[in-house]
Amino acid sequence: EAQVTQNPRYLITVTGKKLTVTCSQNMNHEYMSWYRQDPGLGLRQIYYSMNVEVTDKGDVPEGYKVSRKEKRNFPLILESPSPNQTSLYFCASSLGVPYNEQFFGPGTRLTVL
Amino acid sequence: KNEVEQSPQNLTAQEGEFITINCSYSVGISALHWLQQHPGGGIVSLFMLSSGKKKHGRLIATINIQEKHSSLHITASHPRDSAVYICASGGGADGLTFGKGTHLIIQP
Repeated sequence: EAQVTQNPRYLITVTGKKLTVTCSQNMNHEYMSWYRQDPGLGLRQIYYSMNVEVTDKGDVPEGYKVSRKEKRNFPLILESPSPNQTSLYFCASSLGVPYNEQFFGPGTRLTVL
Repeated sequence: KNEVEQSPQNLTAQEGEFITINCSYSVGISALHWLQQHPGGGIVSLFMLSSGKKKHGRLIATINIQEKHSSLHITASHPRDSAVYICASGGGADGLTFGKGTHLIIQP
């Protein structure tokens, strides 16, 4: 089954404790992206990747890191999480260009205390 | 920078009503997406449009490239259509720009 998976689905952590949210897709998609969704603000892009070893900042990259060592995986790293990073996070992928149909992961609800 | 505006922000209707959600964007694009997000959070793609009109079941999406405007219509609405509907436009190298979403509630 074609899908995008994210782990964990729910996470409660404390300020400053490094964490990684994994994202994996099995569709051989070139483009992958991370979004955060906050009430009243909608979905905003954090980082994106056009292919292996190619990543770039989106609209709200501060406090986040990503890597793309393999085509299928695109982890999101929070080196020192802060309460303002409490949010619902989505990973998505698409074939080729970024404005093609995007397939979303199920979301990760992160709470930073 | 592309900006995407959706209206209405909230919509409550009775079962069976015809629903229209509007989306306007500010710069030329390559594709316009309509997404659906149910309570519980998952996002699914409903339509991707670059021109004209698409239909899937009771859902119809239209786009007017000259006016930079798209609409999502739901015919014979049903309570299971209750969800957040999100418009997103794309045309650049960085991905999609999203509207803030329309919260739709269909009452039985």
